[in-house]
Amino acid sequence: DARVTQTPRHKVTEMGQEVTMRCQPILGHNTVFWYRQTMMQGLELLAYFRNRAPLDDSGMPKDRFSAEMPDATLATLKIQPSEPRDSAVYFCASAKQGQVAEAFFGQGTRLTVV
Amino acid sequence: SQQGEEDPQALSIQEGENATMNCSYKTSINNLQWYRQNSGRGLVHLILIRSNEREKHSGRLRVTLDTSKKSSSLLITASRAADTASYFCATVQAGTALIFGKGTTLSVSS
Repeated sequence: DARVTQTPRHKVTEMGQEVTMRCQPILGHNTVFWYRQTMMQGLELLAYFRNRAPLDDSGMPKDRFSAEMPDATLATLKIQPSEPRDSAVYFCASAKQGQVAEAFFGQGTRLTVV
Repeated sequence: SQQGEEDPQALSIQEGENATMNCSYKTSINNLQWYRQNSGRGLVHLILIRSNEREKHSGRLRVTLDTSKKSSSLLITASRAADTASYFCATVQAGTALIFGKGTTLSVSS
């Protein structure tokens, strides 16, 4: 049963600490997205990759956030240093070439920065 | 920025009733999607409707699209408690990324 896997599912960290979230896209999917979900802002697109190359990360605060795809089976989202306003659920999603509309989402990482 | 905006923000109905959610969007689209999110879970793709389609069915779901009004609706017939979730419309911008609305939270009570 193919699925997008995100780790960790939950993370509580202190302000100023580095946070790394990981995502394993579905095998064969060449497009990977990172979204952040909060009550106030809803689902915000942070960054996305196609064939491991970053296409757009304009939704991401550049000073503290970074996203990478070291290989086709791993995408990472890093926050350094973390702040309380980063508390949210972070979702990774993947899609096949040409089928971006039908993306598959992971279960999310719930981040709490205290 | 959000492309789609759902209406209402919240909807409470009884089991067996129909639930209708609406979505308005701003720019021209090739297709529009509806997704569901159960509490604490990721989003699940429900249905896609193309810009040249006016209506599409999938089980108890019916989606309509009016490109002249830039709006879509999702109808869930004979709702069940298991339909309790948030529902989002989404469009693809610049052919590359899904942009979501803020969603409608549906509560179905038995």
